[in-house]
Amino acid sequence: GEDVEQSLFLSVREGDSSVINCTYTDSSSTYLYWYKQEPGAGLQLLTYIFSNMDMKQDQRLTVLLNKKDKHLSLRIADTQTGDSAIYFCAEYSNASKIIFGSGTRLSIQP
Amino acid sequence: GAVVSQHPSWVICKSGTSVKIECRSLDFQATTMFWYRQFPKQSLMLMATSNEGSKATYEQGVEKDKFLINHASLTLSTLTVTSAHPEDSSFYICSATRGGWNEQFFGPGTRLTVL
Repeated sequence: GEDVEQSLFLSVREGDSSVINCTYTDSSSTYLYWYKQEPGAGLQLLTYIFSNMDMKQDQRLTVLLNKKDKHLSLRIADTQTGDSAIYFCAEYSNASKIIFGSGTRLSIQP
Repeated sequence: GAVVSQHPSWVICKSGTSVKIECRSLDFQATTMFWYRQFPKQSLMLMATSNEGSKATYEQGVEKDKFLINHASLTLSTLTVTSAHPEDSSFYICSATRGGWNEQFFGPGTRLTVL
């Protein structure tokens, strides 16, 4: 079945780059997403990538997709305190559903 | 554009009562709305998919008589938790699409606490 996996925690220093990794199982996924959730709030779509792309850059965010290994990563350059949140990787499955990973909690150290 | 609201943002109720949560698309017509449940420090689990004017499609393991979903208009879907129990306490999040299912816009969530 479909499954999306992420590491649970990541801690980085302010100003450094953060890299959050994700693996998925559904090779037919057409879209892959990164969502951000701040405490007590809903999900905010940060970016998404089509499955036929290798990379997508949007300001401080860079998404890399390795379709062969079913590996997705999100790089946040110059990480700021406001980037503290839970980041969810998700895939749009062939069952017309969005399947979410468990979320990676990013904490920023001063 | 593409704003989704939920009401209430939080609710506390006694065991055995029913609670209704509203999900509204404020600036677009939502042909499909989704209801998710999120336990503390866990991911979102899809509960059901709701299309305007038709019955909701529930995910495996979700009791449709327990979680009643109504999608009466293109801008409103409601989730009613019937005879709520403490184990129903959770964060409920809705999302809506305005075209393809690949782009979902999420509401801010409703925190339900059942005493």
